[in-house]
Amino acid sequence: DAMVIQNPRYQVTQFGKPVTLSCSQTLNHNVMYWYQQKSSQAPKLLFHYYDKDFNNEADTPDNFQSRRPNTSFCFLDIRSPGLGDAAMYLCATSRAVLETQYFGPGTRLLVL
Amino acid sequence: QQPVQSPQAVILREGEDAVINCSSSKALYSVHWYRQKHGEAPVFLMILLKGGEQKGHDKISASFNEKKQQSSLYLTASQLSYSGTYFCGTELGSGGSNYKLTFGKGTLLTVNP
Repeated sequence: DAMVIQNPRYQVTQFGKPVTLSCSQTLNHNVMYWYQQKSSQAPKLLFHYYDKDFNNEADTPDNFQSRRPNTSFCFLDIRSPGLGDAAMYLCATSRAVLETQYFGPGTRLLVL
Repeated sequence: QQPVQSPQAVILREGEDAVINCSSSKALYSVHWYRQKHGEAPVFLMILLKGGEQKGHDKISASFNEKKQQSSLYLTASQLSYSGTYFCGTELGSGGSNYKLTFGKGTLLTVNP
């Protein structure tokens, strides 16, 4: 009955090698979010989609891109991962703004 | 504007109570509380909206003091399963499509037998 699914759960990539993380949802929610969480830190919002409307945080590096081809799927592309990009990446969804966010299990990214 | 959580960490014995605070220097529209266990995704606990309210389920409740721009999470008769990091997420302004939740640094709660 998984509602927010992230693949893969663990991703190892090399320095500078592009990587794509995926998120899918069965909740038919309008809003999808991507967060970056480093060890012992709070989740940090990278960007979010409200339907097809993309909202990028001002401090999100250009190295991070996102795509939402349809309601169910959202992708996080890291064009040239650096060592500092190693983190847990969390996808979340909500039906509308100001409502509960449902998180996926996360993808742990390791950059070698 | 990141909210400030206190305390940073707390250790309890099973059955004891705890209070976790979340404060903002700016006017809040809503406060969201999540619990995250190590290596897992955050799990939603509750949302409190401006206007001042209290909510609760089981032995976990929360309040939102709009005047102080502060929310408090109350855990009573703690259980081992309450262990984890508690995050508050705050939303400034009045919502709209450009909604953003900013999380505090978290409070690590450890409940021992």
